[in-house]
Formats: sequence, C-alpha cells, structure tokens
Amino acid sequence: KQEVTQIPAALSVPEGENLVLNCSFTDSAIYNLQWFRQDPGKGLTSLLLIQSSQREQTSGRLNASLDKSSGRSTLYIAASQPGDSATYLCAVKNFGNEKLTFGTGTRLTIIP
Amino acid sequence: DGGITQSPKYLFRKEGQNVTLSCEQNLNHDAMYWYRQDPGQGLRLIYYSQIVNDFQKGDIAEGYSVSREKKESFPLTVTSAQKNPTAFYLCASTTPGQGIDTQYFGPGTRLTVL
Repeated sequence: KQEVTQIPAALSVPEGENLVLNCSFTDSAIYNLQWFRQDPGKGLTSLLLIQSSQREQTSGRLNASLDKSSGRSTLYIAASQPGDSATYLCAVKNFGNEKLTFGTGTRLTIIP
Repeated sequence: DGGITQSPKYLFRKEGQNVTLSCEQNLNHDAMYWYRQDPGQGLRLIYYSQIVNDFQKGDIAEGYSVSREKKESFPLTVTSAQKNPTAFYLCASTTPGQGIDTQYFGPGTRLTVL
C-alpha cells in the first residue's frame, strides 16, 4: 500500500529566502506525482505534475524534482514571497490505479 | 469560465439527517472524485467515477452514497450511517489516460454536524 509522507508539517521562513519542501513515498512504481497548493478553507490548486519518466518540472519560481529510486520528491521555491504562504500537498498516482494517495501537507508561512 | 463548482459552501446537519453535496464541472472531464479532508490528515478518497452510470468505492465509502447520471454532475450524499461526518469535502475531476491527468478541484463544502 502506497504511503506518502511530508516533513516538516509546518515551516516558517523570512521573505526572499529559497526553500525546499519534501515528499517521500514508499512504493516507487508510480505513474506520476503532483504538487498542490491549498489556501485556508479553499480547494486545491495543481502546481506541477511530474510523470514517472521525468526528473523535474519547472513553473516560474517553482521547481519540482522526482527521484523514484529513493522514493522522494522536492518542491523548490525561489525568492519566497508572503503570497506563497499556504499548505503544500504532494500526491502520488500508481500504475494501474486511478486513485491519488496524498501526503498530509506542509504548512508554509513566509514572514515579511 | 471552465471549472468545478461545489455547493453549498457551508452545510449544517442534525443527527440522523441525510444531506447531499453538489459537484458540477464544465471541463468535459470523464472522471470525478470525492475526497474528505480532516485537520492534520491528507485527503482520503470516498468515491470516484470514471464514466457516467458507473462509480467505485474509495478508501472510506461507508456511510456515503453517490450517483453519476450526467457527465457534468457527481453528487455525494452523507447518510445518517456516517458516524463522524464533520469535515471538509472536496470534489475533483480529470480525464485520465491522456498523459497529463492533473486533477482539478472545486472550492469545497464544509459540513458540520450539530
């Protein structure tokens, strides 16, 4: 059974710093991995999707990497801004399974 | 604008009542999903449907029911059999099998049992 872990549960950094969020998974036979952002009381917004054949994806100040052999993904945020404050969740889809398995998220606070 | 809508935003239920949460999408997506989110926990899948008139149980289906009579709509009923229904409910949709199967989420419904 796939399990997804995100550590730490919460993170606070000063504005302008670069930061890395971590996601680990137990079953490396993944189809893809997604990173989502969730603002308080809102739905999820997809940030980046990495297919199993890819190593990384970039969108603006965000870069997500995938290392299937070690069961890890990282989300790199460059030059953080207060507007980046939110909860970030990763989710994994395995081959032959239509379901996503979610981590519990990292709540990020950017301090002005 | 294309997207997913959920209604109501807030819902209050008395003990023993059934309530229905609405989810509508105009993205022409084939698959739709219902998730439950509790504080400090990841999203857990309740039910999903990959095609009209067909749906499958997720990981926590007990006490819930769904229907998929139209491609655009996937309502969730929380029955009185669900003993702890207070949670944030999220609906999502996608079209799987096309390489890029990003799930798109609605804004959510917060259900509170009085």
